Amino acid sequence: AQSVTQLDSQVPVFEEAPVELRCNYSSSVSVYLFWYVQYPNQGLQLLLKYLSGSTLVKGINGFEAEFNKSQTSFHLRKPSVHISDTAEYFCAVSLVNTDKLIFGTGTRLQVFP
Amino acid sequence: SAVISQKPSRDICQRGTSLTIQCQVDSQVTMMFWYRQQPGQSLTLIATANQGSEATYESGFVIDKFPISRPNLTFSTLTVSNMSPEDSSIYLCSVEGGQGPDTQYFGPGTRLTVL
Repeated sequence: AQSVTQLDSQVPVFEEAPVELRCNYSSSVSVYLFWYVQYPNQGLQLLLKYLSGSTLVKGINGFEAEFNKSQTSFHLRKPSVHISDTAEYFCAVSLVNTDKLIFGTGTRLQVFP
Repeated sequence: SAVISQKPSRDICQRGTSLTIQCQVDSQVTMMFWYRQQPGQSLTLIATANQGSEATYESGFVIDKFPISRPNLTFSTLTVSNMSPEDSSIYLCSVEGGQGPDTQYFGPGTRLTVL
């Protein structure tokens, strides 16, 4: 069975500092990988996705993620965070063409001034 | 990406009652999904709803508790039946966005509190 692990439940960081949110997955077959962001009292917004091709994926709001097949990871990074990046971030996987997303437990990014 | 709206945005209900949540999409989509997000937790898929067929429920979710309708390609409802405080959650619908396989776009959610 597939699973997603987000090791950090909370990540505090100061504004303009770099940040990395970690995501590891477990699957014996090919997967698609996604990062979603949930701002307070809102639904989920797609940040970026990896389907195939280049392992470095760029998304919205200056975020990027790198797919590492050997380490089964898909860590999310941003070189300089802003107060407005404070939100919950969810990593998700789906088996190729199954239409089912499996979510990690989420990482709360708290950006301090 | 598709624009998705949900009604109600939030509600407070008494135990034993039922609530129907509506999900409206601004374009025709084949597949719609319903998720539950319990307080402080991640999202769990409840069921997949295709137009013209019965919804497919995930393990741990049953039709009697969460009946779903999908009358056309832009609308779906989820009913939470005979509610208990354990049903207090955010319920989200999502659709496949047509921008790559398995890419889903989410509605704003319905925050349900059961007293």
